[in-house]
Amino acid sequence: AQSVTQLGSHVSVSEGALVLLRCNYSSSVPPYLFWYVQYPNQGLQLLLKYTSAATLVKGINGFEAEFKKSETSFPLTKPSAHMSDAAEYFCAVSGLKGGSEKLVFGKGTKLTVNP
Amino acid sequence: NAGVTQTPKFQVLKTGQSMTLQCAQDMNHEYMSWYRQDPGMGLRLIHYSVGAGITDQGEVPNGYNVSRSTTEDFPLRLLSAAPSQTSVYFCASSRQGGQRGNTIYFGEGSWLTVV
Repeated sequence: AQSVTQLGSHVSVSEGALVLLRCNYSSSVPPYLFWYVQYPNQGLQLLLKYTSAATLVKGINGFEAEFKKSETSFPLTKPSAHMSDAAEYFCAVSGLKGGSEKLVFGKGTKLTVNP
Repeated sequence: NAGVTQTPKFQVLKTGQSMTLQCAQDMNHEYMSWYRQDPGMGLRLIHYSVGAGITDQGEVPNGYNVSRSTTEDFPLRLLSAAPSQTSVYFCASSRQGGQRGNTIYFGEGSWLTVV
């Protein structure tokens, strides 16, 4: 079975500061991991994904995430926050059930960027 | 490029009414799914389909019905609406083919209120 825990339902940073959103996962198979972003009143957009290639994954909008197997974590970072980064972020792990792939989502972290 | 299209975007229902949320994708994806999003709960899988004529239950299927008569369409039916079904509903699709790590594409959501 797969599960995801996002640490911190709300994170607040200043514009220009480091963004760090935490995600711990549990998976009974080698995990595939995803970060999605949701802007207000919109659907989810893929930021990046880890699929067992490089452990450091670069995504859109300057975000990146590092697969840390020993810590079972997949933290999302961005060196310098921008006001436009204010959104809700979801970490997800994929698993196989009945031969088809499912995504299990964390509960989300709402990022606020202060001027 | 339409992607995943959901209708309606907003709907208010009375308790006991039935309705159908429509979902269509133009990417020839085999896999389609419905999620509901509730505050502090992340996204939870309602039903999914791995191809025309094949559907299965997700995490929270009670009170919902689906069918998949074509590759493109995957409607979600609320049989007898209840206030607990007030939520934001997302339809999603991806390629299948037994390959893990496929990107899942989301529609823009349908906001449903049951009074």
